[in-house]
Amino acid sequence: EIVLTQSPGTLSLSPGQGATLSCRASQSFSSSYLAWYQQKPGQAPRLLIYGASSRATGIPDRFSGSRSGTDFTLTISRLEPEDFAVYYCQQSGSSPYSFGQGTKLEIK
Amino acid sequence: EVQLVESGGGLVQPGGSLRLSCAASGFTFSSYAMSWVRQAPGKGLEWVSSISGGGGGTDYADSVKGRFTISRDNSKNTLYLQMNSLRAEDTAVYYCAKHSSNLYVSPDDCWGQGTLVTVSS
Repeated sequence: EIVLTQSPGTLSLSPGQGATLSCRASQSFSSSYLAWYQQKPGQAPRLLIYGASSRATGIPDRFSGSRSGTDFTLTISRLEPEDFAVYYCQQSGSSPYSFGQGTKLEIK
Repeated sequence: EVQLVESGGGLVQPGGSLRLSCAASGFTFSSYAMSWVRQAPGKGLEWVSSISGGGGGTDYADSVKGRFTISRDNSKNTLYLQMNSLRAEDTAVYYCAKHSSNLYVSPDDCWGQGTLVTVSS
């Protein structure tokens, strides 16, 4: 079973700053099967990034994803007020298709 | 416009059963894999089960295997989750999600708003 560990648990930043969210996998798998989701309070998750680095339809280019070995990163440049939310990574390379525990991005 | 609308949630006693439904519209339902993902109150997301577009392939989390059954009726554009032997730890909002292809290894590109299941005596 692949375990995804996200860090930090909470990230406090101000609008206009950049954010770097990490997702570390317990074992290697294809980049094709790593996605990032955004969830705002009371809402369903929304797909941001798939295949580790491809933006989903309608996602602004301030969101980007990358991979280095078993470490995946979601980068948000120039935070907008609507970006403050919880972010989850998920792997679908191997069942069970696990999620990370989430990173809460809050306004400082 | 792609829409997913869940229903069937509610309060059920431990050991009881419930069937969730997810009505889909705005896309060719049979061409896409579907999944159920749940979220316990104040907690993170947990994958529950997935099914291929034709319904011939299914997969389950260990926590629900043998108790939950995923199915779909492509003539009705509806996804189901039959939940038996419910436990307190099954209490969560249950989301249905559409995958971006017929393969359930593809990402979930559309989610419903969820339906709350509460297991309590």
